[in-house]
Amino acid sequence: DAGVIQSPRHEVTEMGQEVTLRCKPISGHNSLFWYRQTMMRGLELLIYFNNNVPIDDSGMPEDRFSAKMPNASFSTLKIQPSEPRDSAVYFCASSLWGASNQPQHFGDGTRLSIL
Amino acid sequence: GQNIDQPTEMTATEGAIVQINCTYQTSGFNGLFWYQQHAGEAPTFLSYNVLDGLEEKGRFSSFLSRSKGYSYLLLKELQMKDSASYLCAVRDGNNFNKFYFGSGTKLNVKP
Repeated sequence: DAGVIQSPRHEVTEMGQEVTLRCKPISGHNSLFWYRQTMMRGLELLIYFNNNVPIDDSGMPEDRFSAKMPNASFSTLKIQPSEPRDSAVYFCASSLWGASNQPQHFGDGTRLSIL
Repeated sequence: GQNIDQPTEMTATEGAIVQINCTYQTSGFNGLFWYQQHAGEAPTFLSYNVLDGLEEKGRFSSFLSRSKGYSYLLLKELQMKDSASYLCAVRDGNNFNKFYFGSGTKLNVKP
């Protein structure tokens, strides 16, 4: 079975540019999560969706960040405009909502560098 | 607030046993998960505890004491490939979808 698929794997761009990260969850999973990981702050939850609906975006750092999930098989995280402090690894994860023993399954991440 | 504590780094020898501790203080509790993360890769699920006691899965075991807010991951017969970070994550008691992750313990396995 295919796991969570993220693209691109690496992104290097200049400050001020728009960045779009993409995620395809595991088929059948109805919860999707966006995380950011840095050495300083570890793994931070940015936003999550249940059945394509954003439930909690309290972890989104600023209005420059936005996320959408137009259907059950696709989500995007957008940063506009990007800043050097946004440099991090961004993970998407999916799980089966409501099943207590079900873990989150992570994609391989997008390593983002803002120059 | 939520607080998950793990040691930052540990070193152990190939073939030995190592125990990685995790203590937590959260507003609610609905299970504790351990993940393994190799450098440059995604976290992968290792184990899950929701009741007190030991869960064994091959060379890996995980223990939970809810009254003490404490868990550990035990790795036996260490192999070089076990060198990785190990993340402890607590599921929120009121919100199944919220996980609080510790900063991770980097395990170095020496020959």
